[in-house]
Amino acid sequence: SQQGEEDPQALSIQEGENATMNCSYKTSINNLQWYRQNSGRGLVHLILIRSNEREKHSGRLRVTLDTSKKSSSLLITASRAADTASYFCATSYNTDKLIFGTGTRLQVFP
Amino acid sequence: DAGVIQSPRHEVTEMGQEVTLRCKPISGHDYLFWYRQTMMRGLELLIYFNNNVPIDDSGMPEDRFSAKMPNASFSTLKIQPSEPRDSAVYFCASSLNRVGTEAFFGQGTRLTVV
Repeated sequence: SQQGEEDPQALSIQEGENATMNCSYKTSINNLQWYRQNSGRGLVHLILIRSNEREKHSGRLRVTLDTSKKSSSLLITASRAADTASYFCATSYNTDKLIFGTGTRLQVFP
Repeated sequence: DAGVIQSPRHEVTEMGQEVTLRCKPISGHDYLFWYRQTMMRGLELLIYFNNNVPIDDSGMPEDRFSAKMPNASFSTLKIQPSEPRDSAVYFCASSLNRVGTEAFFGQGTRLTVV
């Protein structure tokens, strides 16, 4: 079963706008990761945030984690057409399993 | 390193036939994961290995599915006999030696069972 669910399922924005995606999960976690998947390709790791961290940045990406609400958000600032992809959160908890959420499909129009 | 290598990239087979998917993980990675991706069910974890040993196969849908990892550089996922509902993209991923570290994915095998 999937651990996380992303919201929204799909998001369409114009280049230059910010994109925010949310992930909710069910159980306590060790860390949470975000991945990107271009159409027809494998997933690529973007960023990892540990359970004792609240916010993390990487370039135009900003991830927050609220363990009390069991949720995380991914913000992509100043989006580009090349950011068009599906974005997934993934969690690992009491085992070594890495479980992925349902994904958000992001479309950035030039 | 060339990354995680999967073969074949595409496979079309007839219902009832045996299908074998192959994966070469990144050298030095201790964990290997097999995932299946479909529109309906998303990305499902089928099985994962640690140091070539299967740790959790609870995601394997049926006895028709089996996976092996005879050595640190090779793993197979076999479906026998295949059914149309097995049509999906199958991904292999590997990661380093700690839980929750970054996973590196292969390009996937798109399986179509007709």
